[in-house]
Amino acid sequence: AQSVTQLGSHVSVSEGALVLLRCNYSSSVPPYLFWYVQYPNQGLQLLLKYTSAATLVKGINGFEAEFKKSETSFHLTKPSAHMSDAAEYFCAVSRGDGGSQGNLIFGKGTKLSVKP
Amino acid sequence: DTGVSQNPRHKITKRGQNVTFRCDPISEHNRLYWYRQTLGQGPEFLTYFQNEAQLEKSRLLSDRFSAERPKGSFSTLEIQRTEQGDSAMYLCASSLLTEKLFFGSGTQLSVL
Repeated sequence: AQSVTQLGSHVSVSEGALVLLRCNYSSSVPPYLFWYVQYPNQGLQLLLKYTSAATLVKGINGFEAEFKKSETSFHLTKPSAHMSDAAEYFCAVSRGDGGSQGNLIFGKGTKLSVKP
Repeated sequence: DTGVSQNPRHKITKRGQNVTFRCDPISEHNRLYWYRQTLGQGPEFLTYFQNEAQLEKSRLLSDRFSAERPKGSFSTLEIQRTEQGDSAMYLCASSLLTEKLFFGSGTQLSVL
């Protein structure tokens, strides 16, 4: 069965520092993997998705993620944090059992704080 | 493109009452999803429609929950005989075939 584990419920970085949000997955089939961001009082927005093409996926707002099959990881990074990146980030895997790609299993989320 | 709209934004109800939420997807999107999110957890899939057909239902969706999407446009999610454990944020999302999900801001349900 598919599952997602996000390491660290809270991450705090200084403005301009590297952002690294960790996600490990478990999947019995080649996974489709996603990162979503949720700003306060807003709906979740797709940052990027991996669908078995390039292993390094570039998303919006300068974020990228690398799919590493050997480590079953899909960590999210951004070279230089901005105050506007403060939000909650969710990693998700598609259920992949023949159902809809929109039937996602989400991790518990990581809240990113950015200090001035 | 006005985004996915959910109403109401907040709903407070007493245990045992019925509640209904509405979701208006992005107009050309043929797929519509309902998710539930509790505090400190990620969203959990409840059900999904393609046009007016309900194609998947989670085992989380008890008999007290029913969703409809008449005419393949807006959708409603009804919870009958609410329980305190139903308190959560109910999220709606829409998509065009296999493209990315667009989420609404959700309906926060509090059951007293």
